[in-house]
Amino acid sequence: EAQVTQNPRYLITVTGKKLTVTCSQNMNHEYMSWYRQDPGLGLRQIYYSMNVEVTDKGDVPEGYKVSRKEKRNFPLILESPSPNQTSLYFCASSMNRDAYNEQFFGPGTRLTVL
Amino acid sequence: GNSVTQMEGPVTLSEEAFLTINCTYTATGYPSLFWYVQYPGEGLQLLLKATKADDKGSNKGFEATYRKETTSFHLEKGSVQVSDSAVYFCALSRATDSWGKLQFGAGTQVVVTP
Repeated sequence: EAQVTQNPRYLITVTGKKLTVTCSQNMNHEYMSWYRQDPGLGLRQIYYSMNVEVTDKGDVPEGYKVSRKEKRNFPLILESPSPNQTSLYFCASSMNRDAYNEQFFGPGTRLTVL
Repeated sequence: GNSVTQMEGPVTLSEEAFLTINCTYTATGYPSLFWYVQYPGEGLQLLLKATKADDKGSNKGFEATYRKETTSFHLEKGSVQVSDSAVYFCALSRATDSWGKLQFGAGTQVVVTP
C-alpha cells in the first residue's frame, strides 16, 4: 500500500530536550516536505526536499532542521524545542516539485512542548 | 505573495443539504488549485484539483470550478452525508516560485448531522 508514515503519532516533551520526528514514504517520490498545522492558520511549510541531499527552507523554518540522506526518509529535528512549537505536524511527499502533482500526507504527529 | 482565503467554519448542515465552501486566491499567473479533506484523526487527502482556468475538478460528488476572472475555486456538493463531516482545505501551488509548496487556506470545518 502506498503511504507516508510518521512516528511518533503523539509526543509530549519538555523545553530544550532534542527530539526527532521520522517520516518515510514507499512511493519513490522525489519531493518531500514538512508542514505544521495551527488553528486558524491552515498548514504552513517548514522545510522541503527536492531529492536526496537537497533541502531548503519553507515559510516557517526557525527552530527546525531536516536531512535527506535516503530518498524514502525525511526526518524533522527539533534541537531545542520551545512551547511555541506545540503543533500538529504533517509530512508530505509527491512525485516531484511540479505544481499540479497530488501531495500525499502522513497521519500527523501531535507535539506538545511543556 | 500567494494567499488563499476560505470561509470560516464551522459549517453545520443537515444530511442531504447543499454544501458550498467559498475559496478565493491571490497569485500571479496560473496556479494549480486543490481541495484537500482532513477526516477526524487523519492526515490530509486530495479531494479534487484543477490545473487551468475553467477546469472543473470532481470527486465523490464534490465539484469545484477554476474561475480565473473571479480568482475563485468554490467547493460544492449537492447532498451531503454524515460521512462528509471533516475539515476542508483550499490550496494553491505555483510552478515558478513555490518549489512544490502548497499554500493553504485556514480550513473550514463541516459538521453534518443526521
